[in-house]
Amino acid sequence: DAGVTQSPTHLIKTRGQHVTLRCSPISGHKSVSWYQQVLGQGPQFIFQYYEKEERGRGNFPDRFSARQFPNYSSELNVNALLLGDSALYLCASSLIGDEQYFGPGTRLTVT
Amino acid sequence: AQSVSQHNHHVILSEAASLELGCNYSYGGTVNLFWYVQYPGQHLQLLLKYFSGDPLVKGIKGFEAEFIKSKFSFNLRKPSVQWSDTAEYFCAVSGGSQGNLIFGKGTKLSVKP
Repeated sequence: DAGVTQSPTHLIKTRGQHVTLRCSPISGHKSVSWYQQVLGQGPQFIFQYYEKEERGRGNFPDRFSARQFPNYSSELNVNALLLGDSALYLCASSLIGDEQYFGPGTRLTVT
Repeated sequence: AQSVSQHNHHVILSEAASLELGCNYSYGGTVNLFWYVQYPGQHLQLLLKYFSGDPLVKGIKGFEAEFIKSKFSFNLRKPSVQWSDTAEYFCAVSGGSQGNLIFGKGTKLSVKP
């Protein structure tokens, strides 16, 4: 079975630009979560979606937004990029209330 | 505030040495506890999890962890490490019906052959 997939793998953007990251969950998983991992730190929770509804939001500014589609895939959008947004963005999928399975991540570099 | 603390930033061991990585959490209410591992160049993988029941949990590759509620701890152990255990290890907690994970900063384990 395919695991969680994310695209793109790497991305370089300029300050002030917008970025969209994509995630496809494991088949049958209806919950998708997004995390930001800065170098040297553990992943930090950004959003969780279940059945296309937002179930949780971490301590991130409104520049960060996400959505989940009817096929349970998800997008994370970040507007007005800052240098500090450079990080590995991880997507995880799960059956609700169960362990989360992580994708390989998207490495975002903001210059 | 909810938080997870991992005591060791970098641990260096020789093969066959025993391993114990500390993890303490601060979280009100029922908790679910996890250890994830990230091998070089790979994505996060679940080592083991605790939801309820026996506080001694066995995971993959010979790892185990013990939940001690009175100490708010969930330490990871392995009796004899191998070079292939070189990786970064993350302790995480989630609460009750909430799905979001709160991670510690991670412990980098280097095993010398």
